[in-house]
Amino acid sequence: DIQMTQSPSTLSASVGDRVTITCRASQNINTWLAWYQQKPGKAPELLIQKAFSLESGVPSRFSGSGSGTEFTLTISSLQPDDFATYYCQQYDSYYPTFGQGTRVEIK
Amino acid sequence: QVQLVQSGAEVKKPGSSVKVSCKASGGTFSSYTFNWVRQAPGQGLEWVGRTIPILGIANYAQKFQGRVTITADKSTSTAYMEVTSLRSEDTAVYFCARSFFGDHVPLDYWGQGTLVTVSP
Repeated sequence: DIQMTQSPSTLSASVGDRVTITCRASQNINTWLAWYQQKPGKAPELLIQKAFSLESGVPSRFSGSGSGTEFTLTISSLQPDDFATYYCQQYDSYYPTFGQGTRVEIK
Repeated sequence: QVQLVQSGAEVKKPGSSVKVSCKASGGTFSSYTFNWVRQAPGQGLEWVGRTIPILGIANYAQKFQGRVTITADKSTSTAYMEVTSLRSEDTAVYFCARSFFGDHVPLDYWGQGTLVTVSP
């Protein structure tokens, strides 16, 4: 299985901060990477696919980058609605795997 | 619009089985793959397996092989996941999630989740 490692596990930030989350794959996954946002008690929602393609309706303050084994999710100016847990997921392999999640909390 | 509506919460005894359903609307059922992802309390997301209705097959993460069966009923646009020999570690929220049929596709729509509690 392809292992996905996110860092940090928890991130404390303030409204307006620029936030970056890193996701590393144990082998080359090209750009077959998605980012999801999950709020407490809710299902995850797809934010970004193919490493950098924003889903329709996702605010432009979210962006994704990277290829191969290293990827980042950036929120350019954190808003109150962005406090949530973020997961990366590879879909290069026939068996998808997720990172362990990064919780973004209010500082 | 696209909706995946899952069946309600279940409480089961260790050693028993549970079957969770996921009814899809807002798309051509056979154009998609239906995945199941579980989330133990306070933990991350774990892919369980998928059914591919157009091919009539299912795939499973190795960890769940032999104890989980995922099926689809094209006539009712519903996917199912059955877990047998339940143990306390299976207590989790189980999500169904859709992806387009094909290679290299993310999970674009998710159901609301079904809490399965395994307790003596």
